[in-house]
Amino acid sequence: EVQLLESGGGLVQPGGSLRLSCAASGFTFSSYAMNWVRQAPGKGLEWVSGISTDGGETYYADSVKGRFTVSRDNSKNTLDLLMNSLRAEDTALYYCAKWSRFLEGSADALDIWGQGTMVTVSS
Amino acid sequence: EIVMTQSPATLSVSPGERATLSCRPSQSLSSNLAWYQQKPGQAPRLLIYGASTRASGIPARFSGSGSGTEFTLTISSLQSEDFAIYYCQHYNSRPPIFTFGPGTKVDIK
Repeated sequence: EVQLLESGGGLVQPGGSLRLSCAASGFTFSSYAMNWVRQAPGKGLEWVSGISTDGGETYYADSVKGRFTVSRDNSKNTLDLLMNSLRAEDTALYYCAKWSRFLEGSADALDIWGQGTMVTVSS
Repeated sequence: EIVMTQSPATLSVSPGERATLSCRPSQSLSSNLAWYQQKPGQAPRLLIYGASTRASGIPARFSGSGSGTEFTLTISSLQSEDFAIYYCQHYNSRPPIFTFGPGTKVDIK
């Protein structure tokens, strides 16, 4: 069964740091780019970060650029998100999602999602 | 920066009726548009990619269409399990980012 399982969420003070992890199983992890998407309580989806198959290319939303770092370990089938200088507005449920390319590369979508890990930034 | 607009914000529909959801990007897009369904307490689920291709396991009552600045998700005959929030999403390769719309909530009339 294809599965993504996030962990590492919790309560952190403003300005603090947190590392999220996502464990992948059921597919060839090293063959797929991956992403983090977050959802603030009662709000919509916001893409946060992406990483290429080998980790050589990383991408960030403007709202987290310079504060968050995405990485992956293909030997362990894990995806990480290191979050520094956390702010109240970073409070959200963080999902990892598998990035698939369909239709000979003309269609990009997130076809597998984890259940998310909750991050709360508050004093 | 492309902004995705979805309408209506809420759509009230009776079971068995047809639902039509709209997604309008601020700029003309290729067909690199996807639709997701999210039920309360659950992760989003991919429904449609490439504007009109159903993802694996998605029932035929879900269909996507459109191009340019107007895209549509149609649910031909709403079932009880279809009441949820629906998001459209565009992928831009330069730079690589995913942009989601604000969502349309489909609830029971």
